[in-house]
Amino acid sequence: AQSVTQLGSHVSVSEGALVLLRCNYSSSVPPYLFWYVQYPNQGLQLLLKYTSAATLVKGINGFEAEFKKSETSFHLTKPSAHMSDAAEYFCAVSDRAHETGGYNKLIFGAGTRLAVHP
Amino acid sequence: GAGVSQSPRYKVAKRGQDVALRCDPISGHVSLFWYQQALGQGPEFLTYFQNEAQLDKSGLPSDRFFAERPEGSVSTLKIQRTQQEDSAVYLCASSLQGPDTQYFGPGTRLTVL
Repeated sequence: AQSVTQLGSHVSVSEGALVLLRCNYSSSVPPYLFWYVQYPNQGLQLLLKYTSAATLVKGINGFEAEFKKSETSFHLTKPSAHMSDAAEYFCAVSDRAHETGGYNKLIFGAGTRLAVHP
Repeated sequence: GAGVSQSPRYKVAKRGQDVALRCDPISGHVSLFWYQQALGQGPEFLTYFQNEAQLDKSGLPSDRFFAERPEGSVSTLKIQRTQQEDSAVYLCASSLQGPDTQYFGPGTRLTVL
């Protein structure tokens, strides 16, 4: 069965500092991997996704993530945090096998709440 | 253009009541998903529609949960005889086709007293 583990339910950084949010996955087949961001009272917004092309994936708002098969990781980074980055971030995995059925059944981690302080 | 909308945004129900939650997907999106997000947790998959066909309902927690999408557009998630453990945010997402990016609505927060 697929699963996602996000290390650290809360991460706090200073404005301008590096953001690193950790995600490890478990999957019996090559996965698709996703990072979503959730702002208060809003729906989840896709930041970036890995679908077996380049292992370094660039997303919106300056975020990027690197797929490391040997470490079963897909950590999210941003070189310089901004106050507007404060939100909850979710890593998700999808079993590619479902592609044959035509849809991505997303399995989410528990989330990491990012706080950015001045 | 308009995103995914959900109504009501907040719903308070007494234990044992039936509730109906509505999702309006992005126009033209074939695929529609429902997820349940308990407090402090990530969303969990409930069910998937391709047009009006419910192709996957493996995540529905009990037979009290029922979803439909009769005309392949608007979807309704119905919960019968609500229990306190049903309290959660119910998220709807749609995608142009199944493998495409899922766009999420703001969710309906259900509180069962």
